[in-house]
Amino acid sequence: GENVEQHPSTLSVQEGDSAVIKCTYSDSASNYFPWYKQELGKRPQLIIDIRSNVGEKKDQRIAVTLNKTAKHFSLHITETQPEDSAVYFCAEGRTDSWGKLQFGAGTQVVVTP
Amino acid sequence: GAGVSQSPSNKVTEKGKDVELRCDPISGHTALYWYRQSLGQGLEFLIYFQGNSAPDKSGLPSDRFSAERTGGSVSTLTIQRTQQEDSAVYLCASIRVDTDTQYFGPGTRLTVL
Repeated sequence: GENVEQHPSTLSVQEGDSAVIKCTYSDSASNYFPWYKQELGKRPQLIIDIRSNVGEKKDQRIAVTLNKTAKHFSLHITETQPEDSAVYFCAEGRTDSWGKLQFGAGTQVVVTP
Repeated sequence: GAGVSQSPSNKVTEKGKDVELRCDPISGHTALYWYRQSLGQGLEFLIYFQGNSAPDKSGLPSDRFSAERTGGSVSTLTIQRTQQEDSAVYLCASIRVDTDTQYFGPGTRLTVL
């Protein structure tokens, strides 16, 4: 079956530095790749997503890149701030599958001032 | 409008008892998902609904777990004869059919003593 590998499991960065999280997937039919942020004790919330018809998408300090050939996609956070501290989950799915997603195991990001 | 809601927010039960968890999706959202999140872990898919039917129950851990959805809206997840390993946060998410974004509820934290 499908699975998503996410690395690293924890990431500590200095405020102002960049953070990069990478996910690999196995289902070549996957065409939708969202990223969710989960702050401590809160629900996961979508922060950015990308579809297979583009290779990169940006939204202010966050960006996602997709390499369909290699089956990997990455989240980039620039100029990190303490409020970026959270667990980040990548996911993959197919837009013809009623939105069913396979989630990565998560990355705990800690931004130190 | 209101987001996804879940009740109860916390549930403490004794081993062997049955519990029922409720999810109220966003009005008009046709697909509904249940996930389990153990402490410090990722999102484990349990079951999803298209309308009132459940095409994929593959994630249910055992026959002690069941779920139903009525009227294309509210869903209940029932765990019979609870075990300590059932302790986790149970999250539900809903999705509108023409988008892929999953909107999560706040979760129910289940503790089995």
